[in-house]
Amino acid sequence: DTAVSQTPKYLVTQMGNDKSIKCEQNLGHDTMYWYKQDSKKFLKIMFSYNNKELIINETVPNRFSPKSPDKAHLNLHINSLELGDSAVYFCASSQDLLAGYNEQFFGPGTRLTVL
Amino acid sequence: DQQVKQNSPSLSVQEGRISILNCDYTNSMFDYFLWYKKYPAEGPTFLISISSIKDKNEDGRFTVFLNKSAKHLSLHIVPSQPGDSAVYFCAASDRGSRLTFGEGTQLTVNP
Repeated sequence: DTAVSQTPKYLVTQMGNDKSIKCEQNLGHDTMYWYKQDSKKFLKIMFSYNNKELIINETVPNRFSPKSPDKAHLNLHINSLELGDSAVYFCASSQDLLAGYNEQFFGPGTRLTVL
Repeated sequence: DQQVKQNSPSLSVQEGRISILNCDYTNSMFDYFLWYKKYPAEGPTFLISISSIKDKNEDGRFTVFLNKSAKHLSLHIVPSQPGDSAVYFCAASDRGSRLTFGEGTQLTVNP
């Protein structure tokens, strides 16, 4: 059983389109995250939700909107895609960030290519 | 402002020898440190962690050392195996806060 899953694994799209990436965790964790790994391979946090509440929101364009329908899911919707959005996006979860549990479990990543 | 730095982008060692991966940090509020391993086309996998109240944590072939005064930590893998070939990320947090990752070190273990 996959602990943290993401779909799709690959996403190729045109500039200006709107796309979504889905993430699900079956670990019973309270906190979920979205990270972006850019061409320089840095992993940078974008958002974090704890029990469906937004707790971390880094300086990310408002074209990016996370949505957490329940604590097992955190989806990422991106409007008006730009070339610079091309990257690998990782979803992750941890037991409860606010209680200090930092071991995060990552999904396999979604490689987004904007043409 | 890069608060976690891994200054070696790559490291190559022979099978059976020790691999030492290094990480430096600048934020004195960091009190929890983690190492992640990443294979191509997969997500990072948690490997080992250490709290700032310790200076060493060991798990099988993996040992993490923390030198708080130098703001330095290292991951030792001994003996190194070809399957250890991967990118290793160092990460740090102050408890209850986000993880800050280093840029990763590509480890290659040659048979």
